[in-house]
Parts: sequence; C-alpha cells; structure tokens
Amino acid sequence: NAGVTQTPKFQVLKTGQSMTLQCAQDMNHNSMYWYRQDPGMGLRLIYYSASEGTTDKGEVPNGYNVSRLNKREFSLRLESAAPSQTSVYFCASNRGYYGYTFGSGTRLTVV
Amino acid sequence: GEDVEQSLFLSVREGDSSVINCTYTDSSSTYLYWYKQEPGAGLQLLTYIFSNMDMKQDQRLTVLLNKKDKHLSLRIADTQTGDSAIYFCAESLTGGGNKLTFGTGTQLKVEL
Repeated sequence: NAGVTQTPKFQVLKTGQSMTLQCAQDMNHNSMYWYRQDPGMGLRLIYYSASEGTTDKGEVPNGYNVSRLNKREFSLRLESAAPSQTSVYFCASNRGYYGYTFGSGTRLTVV
Repeated sequence: GEDVEQSLFLSVREGDSSVINCTYTDSSSTYLYWYKQEPGAGLQLLTYIFSNMDMKQDQRLTVLLNKKDKHLSLRIADTQTGDSAIYFCAESLTGGGNKLTFGTGTQLKVEL
C-alpha cells in the first residue's frame, strides 16, 4: 500500500543513548517532515526537507539531526536522548494541495 | 511563530451535531485543513478549504471559514461513536517548504 512507513513503532531508551527513527514514502513526494506530538501541545515541527538534498530546522530542532538519504527516505537521529524527548514522533510527506500523508508514529520513551 | 488555537475537549451525544472551532494567525494562509487522529494512529486528512472559499461541504462535514476573524470551524452532522477522536486544524504557511502549522487538537468524545 502506498504511504509513509515509520520504524520502529515503539522504543524505550536510557538517557544518553542514541537512536535513529526511520521514515520512507513511496509516493514520489518532494517534501518530508518530522513532527513530535505532546499532550496539549499539538504537533511541533522538528525538521523538514523541502527536496532531496536539503534539510531545514523547524520549531524544535535542538537535540535532533536529520538525513534525507534519497527522495524516499528521511531519518531522524537522537544523538544523546533526554527524558524531555519522550514523545510520539510522526513523519509526513507533502501531497501538495491535499496536505500531508502521515506515518503511524513512533512512541519513544526515554528513562 | 504562528499559533493555531483550539479548545481541548468537546463532548456531544450520539446523533447531535459537533462543532469544533479553530483560530489561526497567518492571514496569508492559502489552505486550511482538518485532520482526524484516532487512538494510537497517525493523522488522517478529513477535508481542506482554499482561502478564497467561505464554506465547503462534504457529506456529514461542513467547513466554515471566516477570513476576517481568522476563524475556521468543522461541523460534523449526526455525530457517531466512530467520530470520537482528536481533531486538528492546520494552516499552510507562506515561504518555502510547504509547511503546515497545527493546532493543539480537540478531543471529541461522543456519548450514547
């Protein structure tokens, strides 16, 4: 099925550990995004990639890095996880006028 | 940055109409969107409206846009238990990257 695939779905990390969240889309979209969702705060943009080879900071980039590996894949890396990064992370790609297609999310807990 | 505001909770009885409200700040937004998020899932696009429209109807959904007041609403007619979810409004931002800014989300609870 066409769409946005995120892995893993769940992850528990210890403070200071690193990990990479993977995202891939098969819809040939140019733009991709990483958001985090926290209760009562909606979705906040971490990083985005307007096209292959470009990345830009969003509203809350501190503590994260991204890689746009190719047109399909956009990964999010936490170099040294902190409890404040406990959240649900969503990857999305842009459908133009039709807004975004979202992945099903990664639920990350940092202890 | 831009702030998109929504009330956090709404409770309605099955069969009633639900109205979810949203205020946004970027008067140059081209498109405004409503997304639905069911428990444990990602966001799914419900509907969208172009900024030169006042109203859009799609089956049980009616979107009203008041550009002067920067107010967007979503009306769900004949609300069903399956409509229980979190609803997010979002506005497109000017500038590069085709970015959207999302509201805080409104949790809709439908009671029997």
